[in-house]
Amino acid sequence: DTEVTQTPKHLVMGMTNKKSLKCEQHMGHRAMYWYKQKAKKPPELMFVYSYEKLSINESVPSRFSPECPNSSLLNLHLHALQPEDSALYLCASSQEPGSEQYFGPGTRLTVT
Amino acid sequence: GESVGLHLPTLSVQEGDNSIINCAYSNSASDYFIWYKQESGKGPQFIIDIRSNMDKRQGQRVTVLLNKTVKHLSLQIAATQPGDSAVYFCACSYNFNKFYFGSGTKLNVKP
Repeated sequence: DTEVTQTPKHLVMGMTNKKSLKCEQHMGHRAMYWYKQKAKKPPELMFVYSYEKLSINESVPSRFSPECPNSSLLNLHLHALQPEDSALYLCASSQEPGSEQYFGPGTRLTVT
Repeated sequence: GESVGLHLPTLSVQEGDNSIINCAYSNSASDYFIWYKQESGKGPQFIIDIRSNMDKRQGQRVTVLLNKTVKHLSLQIAATQPGDSAVYFCACSYNFNKFYFGSGTKLNVKP
């Protein structure tokens, strides 16, 4: 299995909702990442998990809460988001921190 | 930190021609570089990488050139095909740290 999978593909949520994005990989990778990508812009790093521990938080607002339940799974919990948080949220994984990253297809999030 | 830029936001080429996409980086300590291809509605796809101890690396129809003296990276695509139409990002990192992405070049391949 050489894929990074993400669910859901699309998500529409109100500003008072709580939702979660999920990411899964079965490549035995030890680093996992969340990125945010706005239209026509490059991916922006949000969080890095290395060996299931949070190693980088790029000063992301607390309304985004990452979780790594095990080495194959990565979640992003969302609460009280703003319309400007609407974006494509990408998950990636790599064999080791800093090695080549493999991206999932992303979750297209719309906050209304 | 790092800033990564591309020389042209959009590149149009004729099918069958060669394409060259350029990228400049600012941190001379950067030691690992990746080119990604992102098609509409999809996540970035790894194309090719190169480490700072090399100046050239070839893949299938793609070549990456690294000039550390001027901190410049390029991606060459031979015999460009319609399926190559996408946005291309360069990304660089140093010391196994996080990656910094360039702003992207959109490649349009004209039939």
